[in-house]
Amino acid sequence: NAGVTQTPKFRILKIGQSMTLQCTQDMNHNYMYWYRQDPGMGLKLIYYSVGAGITDKGEVPNGYNVSRSTTEDFPLRLELAAPSQTSVYFCASSDTGPGSNSPLHFGNGTRLTVT
Amino acid sequence: AQKVTQAQTEISVVEKEDVTLDCVYETRDTTYYLFWYKQPPSGELVFLIRRNSFDEQNEISGRYSWNFQKSTSSFNFTITASQVVDSAVYFCALSERSNFGNEKLTFGTGTRLTIIP
Repeated sequence: NAGVTQTPKFRILKIGQSMTLQCTQDMNHNYMYWYRQDPGMGLKLIYYSVGAGITDKGEVPNGYNVSRSTTEDFPLRLELAAPSQTSVYFCASSDTGPGSNSPLHFGNGTRLTVT
Repeated sequence: AQKVTQAQTEISVVEKEDVTLDCVYETRDTTYYLFWYKQPPSGELVFLIRRNSFDEQNEISGRYSWNFQKSTSSFNFTITASQVVDSAVYFCALSERSNFGNEKLTFGTGTRLTIIP
């Protein structure tokens, strides 16, 4: 049982490049989330999903896109990378949502630098 | 809008001292949930506790205890007899009503706790 797996762990992008951050979970969780953590700051929600085919914007969705074609995978797409997207990205999943007795399980993060 | 405030940016205490991390929240929801997460130097986020808005009982788990007071909108976290392994960034979080129910979490900016041996 691997939990939430994020790849890659580190990535450097040039301005204007695009990439996809991968996230997969093997716990059959319905709810999945993408957060970003800027230095000295808390986590800000980018996008989330409550099940396959259902996604919604979080607090800071601009510059990102997501899809949820399967329960296991929730990739985050960056188009036209900008320096402001330099951050650590965390993917998380939850069985029935944090409003129930089901905490978020986080991946180990992807450290992205855009130069 | 939902808001979580952790006014203490950094705290340093000597090992074996007790330390309290403050968390104040704002919400218009009548049903909500509060959480604490720990982020050790290795970077992962570890769930510590969840508390719902109808349960104001204090909770103790080993050296950790939590004090939830709706009257002051606070959910404070105390570590008793601190240890070096407690050094981490601690985040308080509040569940937020979304288009689908109550599935989003709003995080505070975190408190960096350093335990000095």
